Amino acid sequence: GAGVSQTPSNKVTEKGKYVELRCDPISGHTALYWYRQSLGQGPEFLIYFQGTGAADDSGLPNDRFFAVRPEGSVSTLKIQRTERGDSAVYLCAGAVAGGPGNEQFFGPGTRLTVL
Amino acid sequence: AQSVTQLDSQVPVFEEAPVELRCNYSSSVSVYLFWYVQYPNQGLQLLLKYLSGSTLVKGINGFEAEFNKSQTSFHLRKPSVHISDTAEYFCAVRGSGGYQKVTFGTGTKLQVIP
Repeated sequence: GAGVSQTPSNKVTEKGKYVELRCDPISGHTALYWYRQSLGQGPEFLIYFQGTGAADDSGLPNDRFFAVRPEGSVSTLKIQRTERGDSAVYLCAGAVAGGPGNEQFFGPGTRLTVL
Repeated sequence: AQSVTQLDSQVPVFEEAPVELRCNYSSSVSVYLFWYVQYPNQGLQLLLKYLSGSTLVKGINGFEAEFNKSQTSFHLRKPSVHISDTAEYFCAVRGSGGYQKVTFGTGTKLQVIP
């Protein structure tokens, strides 16, 4: 596809359940970022991948959150034992490389609702 | 560490009027600055960025921003807005050295009134 895709677009789950959110970046974008956007807030950094490895995971709020990118393209954000406070829009962005001014291309996001 | 403050959560403006969306940042190091726009149900799109050089930066859709180091500001301006400019605008900052994460402001909703 021409842009960044994220699936599902909406996810409703119950407290305590496990969820996986998928990001498919633009081909050739070696850098990939996950952000969380709560209502009325700007995107909050979660994790940054350069290729297959997580170069910076300092934004993950706790050990219930984990992300992988096994082949350096598609990435999956995994949330265990979901809590109501995890409800937010999860955004993914890719870039040609992790260089300073390289534009990040964002997907439309996955809206997660934890009941 | 950096931080961004967008003082106005909402800005209503009449069509064809000028608009300024304010952004102030805090950082102990040199920074790169960005403005993103988010249309309803869409991802963020880069409007413009300041890396170095001229402090007046021109972006897409007729927007421009001016980097003011002494006032630590990066306000976004457009001389004449259109209905299609109705969206949420985010200012963002990152340190200029090596890898640095991007920090976003809380956003400003621009409502263009016909």
